[in-house]
Amino acid sequence: RKEVEQDPGPFNVPEGATVAFNCTYSNSASQSFFWYRQDCRKEPKLLMSVYSSGNEDGRFTAQLNRASQYISLLIRDSKLSDSATYLCVVRRGGSYIPTFGRGTSLIVHP
Amino acid sequence: DAGITQSPRYKITETGRQVTLMCHQTWSHSYMFWYRQDLGHGLRLIYYSAAADITDKGEVPDGYVVSRSKTENFPLTLESATRSQTSVYFCASSESPFRTGRDYGYTFGSGTRLTVV
Repeated sequence: RKEVEQDPGPFNVPEGATVAFNCTYSNSASQSFFWYRQDCRKEPKLLMSVYSSGNEDGRFTAQLNRASQYISLLIRDSKLSDSATYLCVVRRGGSYIPTFGRGTSLIVHP
Repeated sequence: DAGITQSPRYKITETGRQVTLMCHQTWSHSYMFWYRQDLGHGLRLIYYSAAADITDKGEVPDGYVVSRSKTENFPLTLESATRSQTSVYFCASSESPFRTGRDYGYTFGSGTRLTVV
């Protein structure tokens, strides 16, 4: 089983839709969690950290479920500009090396 | 300018040549990483470094060499370039979560698009 797994998609949604992605991780010692956004062949950029209590940033909500070992990203009121690949990133406790998922592709259409 | 910069942005080289990709960060981050990204593979870790003069192999180190004589620089050298090393290369840095008590994540450079012909 891969350490971090994501559904590659693509998720094809209309503008204004709500869409959610999940990311599962296999190592229960994982300590830090992030969502990154990557536009076509550009560098990944930090979208948001994921905290145990869940956190929100505008239209984006991230949640962590330690018992089931997954994190989620919810995007409300999707915009065309949200079209990108969303990468899940996990760091194990005691290690500084991140593990990246392969990403979930989102396409928002008019 | 503050940040993490990679050079060159684009490079075409011939098989067998040595080529060095540069990475410079201005934050004095402890950790630095080199990744390659190819279609169908996601980001793959080549080498990483915890501090100056401390480097270690990642997932796909063969054919690459790194050095880190100064905290801010982490060059990646392809000793004898092969076509299979055609890829997009990303450098990243992060501060130590063990030192700060908080994990701020990883910041990437803009990448170097390398073509080996």
